[in-house]
Amino acid sequence: LAKTTQPVSMDSYEGQEVNITCSHNNIATNDYITWYQQFPSQGPRFIIQGYKTKVTNEVASLFIPADRKSSTLSLPRVSLSDTAVYYCLVGDRLNGGSQGNLIFGKGTKLSVKP
Amino acid sequence: DSGVTQTPKHLITATGQRVTLRCSPRSGDLSVYWYQQSLDQGLQFLIHYYNGEERAKGNILERFSAQQFPDLHSELNLSSLELGDSALYFCASTTRILAGGANVLTFGAGSRLTVL
Repeated sequence: LAKTTQPVSMDSYEGQEVNITCSHNNIATNDYITWYQQFPSQGPRFIIQGYKTKVTNEVASLFIPADRKSSTLSLPRVSLSDTAVYYCLVGDRLNGGSQGNLIFGKGTKLSVKP
Repeated sequence: DSGVTQTPKHLITATGQRVTLRCSPRSGDLSVYWYQQSLDQGLQFLIHYYNGEERAKGNILERFSAQQFPDLHSELNLSSLELGDSALYFCASTTRILAGGANVLTFGAGSRLTVL
C-alpha cells in the first residue's frame, strides 16, 4: 500500500474553509484515496473517497490532481464540531473485501477555534 | 450506531491478567480488522481476518491473539497484561460504500482497556 504523508496539525477558525493535503507519491493504478475523521475516544468514520479529479458529498470535497500523487480534503465553513483528527488512506479496490493490512498514518489534528 | 458491535465498552484489570475483547461486524461484512490506540497515539494495526482466515498481521505482540469464528464475530485475546497495554481497542469491518470503489472501514465504538 502506498505510504501517505500529512501535516501533523492545523488550526482554523469557525466559518473558514480548511484544506488538508495528503501526499502519496507511490500510489498505484488501482488505488483509491479514502479520508476518515476521528473524534476523541471514538472510532474513525468515513468522510469521502475518490479516484481522480473531484468528488463532493454533503460533508466535504476531495480534489485529486491528474498525477494522483496527492489529494486535498476540503472542509467548507468549519465549525467547532469539526475539531478532530483526519486520516488519509490509500488502498486497492479488491473484490470480496479481502484487503490486507490497512495502515493509518498519524493523521492531521485539526483544531477549530471560535 | 455503525453496525459494528464491540464488547465490553470498558474493562479494568490488573497486570498479568488475561482479557477477551469481542467484535461483531456489520451484517454481511466478511472482514474484521483490529486496531490499538494508546493515549494520544495513532491507530496501530494489529490483525486482519477475512471469512475466518487470518489475512495480515501488523505490530501484534505474541501475548495477543485473535480469531474469527464461523458466524464472523471476532475475538481479540490479550494475555499477561502490562501497564502499557492500556489503550482503546477498535475493530472494524469493511463495506463497499461506492459502487466500484474501494472498501471502506466501518469502526465500532471501541473497548477501553485499563491495566492497573
